[in-house]
Amino acid sequence: GIQVEQSPPDLILQEGANSTLRCNFSDSVNNLQWFHQNPWGQLINLFYIPSGTKQNGRLSATTVATERYSLLYISSSQTTDSGVYFCAVGGGTASKLTFGTGTRLQVTL
Amino acid sequence: DTGVSQDPRHKITKRGQNVTFRCDPISEHNRLYWYRQTLGQGPEFLTYFQNEAQLEKSRLLSDRFSAERPKGSFSTLEIQRTEQGDSAMYLCASSATTGRANYGYTFGSGTRLTVV
Repeated sequence: GIQVEQSPPDLILQEGANSTLRCNFSDSVNNLQWFHQNPWGQLINLFYIPSGTKQNGRLSATTVATERYSLLYISSSQTTDSGVYFCAVGGGTASKLTFGTGTRLQVTL
Repeated sequence: DTGVSQDPRHKITKRGQNVTFRCDPISEHNRLYWYRQTLGQGPEFLTYFQNEAQLEKSRLLSDRFSAERPKGSFSTLEIQRTEQGDSAMYLCASSATTGRANYGYTFGSGTRLTVV
């Protein structure tokens, strides 16, 4: 099956710093999503981005499907950004997803 | 739109007992997915439905697990003869497949199962 690797596995930032999270995948995909799992366990969909670039407030994402990677940018980080960020990919537009192991982000004051 | 609802939030059961979880998806979403997540791992696919049809079931899912979506609305996931290895968070998600540019998942809050 498709493999999904995320880096870095852990990241500690001071409030206000910027960061880039990376997701590499082993096969072509038609579905790529980024999620944030908050400290209470709730998974929040950040982006549906099988290709191209999207922005939502302080967050943006870019997927280069031909090179099989996606990047999530967090600017001016806040303590509420803490949690685990997952990249998930699938073969069809609304297909099952294979999740990576996540990047655990801690934002400190 | 009240989001995806899961019930119960927590379940503690003795080994060997049967448990059933319920998921109510977003009403206009025709796809419903079940995932399982253990500590420190990403969610793992179990099964999914389009309307009332079960389209795929993970090979990792033993015969003790069964899921239904009888009228294409809510879904139930049943685990028979629970084992300690079944302890996990069971997550439900829904998505649309038509008429929308965004096919992103919406997850529920999950049901945490502890088998003692």
